[in-house]
Amino acid sequence: AQSVTQLDSQVPVFEEAPVELRCNYSSSVSVYLFWYVQYPNQGLQLLLKYLSGSTLVKGINGFEAEFNKSQTSFHLRKPSVHISDTAEYFCAVSGGNNQGGKLIFGQGTELSVKP
Amino acid sequence: SAVISQKPSRDICQRGTSLTIQCQVDSQVTMMFWYRQQPGQSLTLIATANQGSEATYESGFVIDKFPISRPNLTFSTLTVSNMSPEDSSIYLCSVGVGLRETQYFGPGTRLLVL
Repeated sequence: AQSVTQLDSQVPVFEEAPVELRCNYSSSVSVYLFWYVQYPNQGLQLLLKYLSGSTLVKGINGFEAEFNKSQTSFHLRKPSVHISDTAEYFCAVSGGNNQGGKLIFGQGTELSVKP
Repeated sequence: SAVISQKPSRDICQRGTSLTIQCQVDSQVTMMFWYRQQPGQSLTLIATANQGSEATYESGFVIDKFPISRPNLTFSTLTVSNMSPEDSSIYLCSVGVGLRETQYFGPGTRLLVL
């Protein structure tokens, strides 16, 4: 069975500082990996995804993530955060078509950016 | 990507009643999904709804409580039946797009059961 662990439930950071949100997964099959962001009182927005190819993927709003197969990780990073990045961030994994496209989500990381 | 809308955006309901949530997408899609997000928690898949077949429910979710319809490739409904306060959650639909079925989410329906 697949699972996702987000190692930090809350990450406070000052504006313009770098940030890393950690995500580890477990799976017995090849996976696709995703990061979603949820702003207050909104749905989920896709930040970026790893399907295949280059292990460093770039997404919207200046975020990037690196797929590390040996460490089964997919950490999300941004070199300089803004107040507007304050939101809940979810890491998710799917096993592709073999799993019917179902997403398994981590518990979420609340990013709080302070001035 | 896809543009997804949900109705209603929020509702307050009395226990014992039922609410039907609609999900509309701007293009034809094969796979649609319904998730529940309980207060302060992550998302849990309720069921997968493919057009032309019965919905497939995840462990812990049953058709009598969460009946789903999928009449065509752009629309689905989820009904939350015989509601109790424990059903207070955000309900989100999503659609799978592309060869590897990247999922895009609707804005969610915020349900409060009194």
